[in-house]
Amino acid sequence: SAVISQKPSRDICQRGTSLTIQCQVDSQVTMMFWYRQQPGQSLTLIATANQGSEATYESGFVIDKFPISRPNLTFSTLTVSNMSPEDSSIYLCSVDPTGVTPEAFFGQGTRLTVV
Amino acid sequence: DAKTTQPPSMDCAEGRAANLPCNHSTISGNEYVYWYRQIHSQGPQYIIHGLKNNETNEMASLIITEDRKSSTLILPHATLRDTAVYYCIVRSTLKTSYDKVIFGPGTSLSVIP
Repeated sequence: SAVISQKPSRDICQRGTSLTIQCQVDSQVTMMFWYRQQPGQSLTLIATANQGSEATYESGFVIDKFPISRPNLTFSTLTVSNMSPEDSSIYLCSVDPTGVTPEAFFGQGTRLTVV
Repeated sequence: DAKTTQPPSMDCAEGRAANLPCNHSTISGNEYVYWYRQIHSQGPQYIIHGLKNNETNEMASLIITEDRKSSTLILPHATLRDTAVYYCIVRSTLKTSYDKVIFGPGTSLSVIP
């Protein structure tokens, strides 16, 4: 299995500011994914981050709002830019150790509140 | 979009078997059925997956119909700690491209004392 650490676990931010969320994995993985979970809702995929290439964003998400970095095979960051109260959500990092295990693993999430 | 449909909620008495259904009528030959659950305020947790044969592990059993258009997750002896949202997902594991895990609304299971 893969152990995922996300930082911060929660934060309260002022509107108009930006927050960078870190995701650290205890093993090298090819694919990392970022999800958003709005209150009372299911998880929505934001983007896929592969090392050495630009992130691939899902419909409705853009790089200017959610820039992603993937500097190596164990680490990624997601920035939520120019935040508004509508960005209040749980943001989750997920990894898929392709070829090693059949399942994807998820971090515990970052609970973001924008005031 | 999610390729599965599930009932939005279910109740189960503690100690009884919980049977959670899932429809995936458009599943293709290279797609597996995965089940995850999310306990309140935690990240999703993998439960089990299968292709066409029934599967069992320490957490649950997965029954897939012969035509693969539906499946049932069985928690044999539900406990209060099994109260969670359960997600049924179909996912290719061809490993030729990234395999996105797309979540539907899931089933909110409440285990009642």
